[in-house]
Amino acid sequence: DQQVKQNSPSLSVQEGRISILNCDYTNSMFDYFLWYKKYPAEGPTFLISISSIKDKNEDGRFTVFLNKSAKHLSLHIVPSQPGDSAVYFCAASYSNYQLIWGAGTKLIIKP
Amino acid sequence: DAEITQSPRHKITETGRQVTLACHQTWNHNNMFWYRQDLGHGLRLIHYSYGVQDTNKGEVSDGYSVSRSNTEDLPLTLESAASSQTSVYFCASSESKGPAGETQYFGPGTRLLVL
Repeated sequence: DQQVKQNSPSLSVQEGRISILNCDYTNSMFDYFLWYKKYPAEGPTFLISISSIKDKNEDGRFTVFLNKSAKHLSLHIVPSQPGDSAVYFCAASYSNYQLIWGAGTKLIIKP
Repeated sequence: DAEITQSPRHKITETGRQVTLACHQTWNHNNMFWYRQDLGHGLRLIHYSYGVQDTNKGEVSDGYSVSRSNTEDLPLTLESAASSQTSVYFCASSESKGPAGETQYFGPGTRLLVL
């Protein structure tokens, strides 16, 4: 039973437009959520996070929104750039430092 | 600069052989993790350690073992490699400072093929 789900295996977006990546979770005990970005042949790198006590966190072009009642979070990238083409993983944690990962969404930015 | 390295980057082995994947971090982090990544599954936790001499089983620990004799290293051993263990393996580390410390830093991965 997947506790963290990313239902879109891939997403294609025009350069300059907004990219929206979605993530759903089932466990209400999760207290911290993170997005990681992964390029081919590299390890994932941390992108942005949000605590369960907040509903929004921004960092430059990246914004994460958390809707606890719907158990849903999303990552917005505005504007999308070619270098944003990568696989994006959503992850959630308990307070014991372990991360539970989604399967990832491959984002393709078209010129 | 602090970093986390993995070796080898690529490995081909035969069924039944013992294989050890190395992970070394210079962040001085207490927490270290081993994951495997397979298509459609994201990253799944194999083993983790919260400090020297501490090891714990993760979600998919069968057939794997780890040991932690110092802060910097957490080698992962496949006792008797099986074709189902063909995967990409990632090592990660993190600080232990509460919820905001869950940011994990990853190595570049080891691609393992078991024939």
